[in-house]
Amino acid sequence: EAQVTQNPRYLITVTGKKLTVTCSQNMNHEYMSWYRQDPGLGLRQIYYSMNVEVTDKGDVPEGYKVSRKEKRNFPLILESPSPNQTSLYFCASRRVSSYNEQFFGPGTRLTVL
Amino acid sequence: AQTVTQSQPEMSVQEAETVTLSCTYDTSESNYYLFWYKQPPSRQMILVIRQEAYKQQNATENRFSVNFQKAAKSFSLKISDSQLGDTAMYFCAFMKSMGDYKLSFGAGTTVTVRA
Repeated sequence: EAQVTQNPRYLITVTGKKLTVTCSQNMNHEYMSWYRQDPGLGLRQIYYSMNVEVTDKGDVPEGYKVSRKEKRNFPLILESPSPNQTSLYFCASRRVSSYNEQFFGPGTRLTVL
Repeated sequence: AQTVTQSQPEMSVQEAETVTLSCTYDTSESNYYLFWYKQPPSRQMILVIRQEAYKQQNATENRFSVNFQKAAKSFSLKISDSQLGDTAMYFCAFMKSMGDYKLSFGAGTTVTVRA
């Protein structure tokens, strides 16, 4: 089954404790992206990657890191989480051409205390 | 930067009735794509319908249709014959035709279908 997977689905952590949210897709998509969803703000892009070893900032990159060492994986790293990073996070992927659908993962609910 | 505005935070509709969700956007691009996504309580993001800006014909997918007014920069979603399973948050999204494939989302409209 073609899908984007994220782990963990739920995470409660404390301020300053480094964490990684994994994202993997099995569709051989070049493009991958991370979004965060907050009430009243919709989804906002954090980082994206057009291909292996190519990453760039989105609209709200502060406090996050990413890497793209393999085509299928695009982990999101919070090196020192803060309470304002409490949010719902989505990973997404798509083929690099103009009109293809963007596939979303199931979301990760992160709470930083 | 593109901005997408959904002015209705919440809407309620009786089962089998029709509801229309509004969306306006701001862009200087001449070609682009517009989308409506559905997010049910499961939180999964589901593509409902999409429209290419250079196409004048409004997109339709079963009970879902759009009214695309390019000059007015308006992209409303009509849900006909509403069903209980349509209860969800709906997001309008914009994407440039060329570039970083970023989706710019509106704040969302929560739709509740009443039995």
